Amino acid sequence: DIQMTQSPSSLSASVGDRVTISCRASQSISSYLNWYQQRPGKAPKVLIYAASSLQSGVPSRFSGSGSGTDFTLTISSLQAEDFATYYCQQSHSTPRTFGQGTKVEIK
Amino acid sequence: EVQLVEAGGGLVQPGGSLRLSCAASEFIFSSSWMSWVRQAPGKGLEWVANIKQDGSEKYYVDSVKGRFTISRDNAKNSLFLQMNSLRAEDTAVYYCARSPWGGPFDYWGQGTLVTVSS
Repeated sequence: DIQMTQSPSSLSASVGDRVTISCRASQSISSYLNWYQQRPGKAPKVLIYAASSLQSGVPSRFSGSGSGTDFTLTISSLQAEDFATYYCQQSHSTPRTFGQGTKVEIK
Repeated sequence: EVQLVEAGGGLVQPGGSLRLSCAASEFIFSSSWMSWVRQAPGKGLEWVANIKQDGSEKYYVDSVKGRFTISRDNAKNSLFLQMNSLRAEDTAVYYCARSPWGGPFDYWGQGTLVTVSS
């Protein structure tokens, strides 16, 4: 199974900050990497698919990069509604695996 | 608007069974791979199972193999998860999601809570 490791597990930031979350796969997954946002009590929502493609309707302050084993989610200017937990997930092979999550909190 | 609506969750004793359902609308269900994903209280996301468009291929996470069965009824735009021999560690919110092969889980239901406890 492919293991997905996110860092950090949590971070504190202020509105307007640039935030970066990393995700590393235990083996190469090409660009089969997706990012999700989950707010408390809600279902996850896809933000980025195929490592760097922005899902329709998602604000352009979200961006993704990387390929192979190392990936990054960047929020260029954090907004109040962005305080949530973020997960990476590989769709290269079965079982589909998620990172453990990164909780973005208000500083 | 795409909708996925899960039902069937509840409280069940260890060793018991439960059948979850997911009603899909506003997309071509019969052309879509579908998955179940779960989230234990306060924990992260875990993919559980997926099923091909015609039901001919099914895959499971190791921890549920032999106990859970995923199925679908394309005529009724419905996805199912039969869960047998339930354990305390199966306690979670269960989501159904559309999951194109090689793509993201792009549509999700609201989830249904399964609690396994005596």
